[in-house]
Amino acid sequence: NAGVTQTPKFRVLKTGQSMTLLCAQDMNHEYMYWYRQDPGMGLRLIHYSVGEGTTAKGEVPDGYNVSRLKKQNFLLGLESAAPSQTSVYFCASSYDLYTSSGYTFGSGTRLTVV
Amino acid sequence: DQQVKQNSPSLSVQEGRISILNCDYTNSMFDYFLWYKKYPAEGPTFLISISSIKDKNEDGRFTVFLNKSAKHLSLHIVPSQPGDSAVYFCAASDGGTYKYIFGTGTRLKVLA
Repeated sequence: NAGVTQTPKFRVLKTGQSMTLLCAQDMNHEYMYWYRQDPGMGLRLIHYSVGEGTTAKGEVPDGYNVSRLKKQNFLLGLESAAPSQTSVYFCASSYDLYTSSGYTFGSGTRLTVV
Repeated sequence: DQQVKQNSPSLSVQEGRISILNCDYTNSMFDYFLWYKKYPAEGPTFLISISSIKDKNEDGRFTVFLNKSAKHLSLHIVPSQPGDSAVYFCAASDGGTYKYIFGTGTRLKVLA
């Protein structure tokens, strides 16, 4: 019963490098989300998906791209990392929007860009 | 432009007393609200939800109150326990946009 799994858990990147964060869920959820958490800023939505093959922009999409080729996976890409992208990234999924149990979150990826 | 605001960054409460965490929102279209708890180095975990058709929802020691006219919700924890020490986030959605907007969080410390 894995729930939502994020890989990697930690990563240090140099400015300009690229990387992909992987989110996998085994609950057959339709909706998947990528958030970032920064001190004093709470959780801000980067991109989200309401089903396989769909993606949409959230509050802070610039500098990120996403793909949802398979229902269970939601990938977040940084094409050219910047120090401003240093953050903790959380993936979440839900069966539907009004589920009484809300989202299920992964344990996060701590990314540092130097 | 923060649509969901938690104006108290931190709160300290004695064990056994009531903890009240507040959340204000600006978008009158929000119709579903959630509270999450987050421990360090872990993802947020769901606590309790409330629909805009209700003004109160209870689950054990946790009660959420919604005042739509004031665009305000609050989470009451009674009695507070040391294990409740965490960061609490409120979140709101208007349904049609398929996503939740989170507040900035309130760090609760329950003192033994």
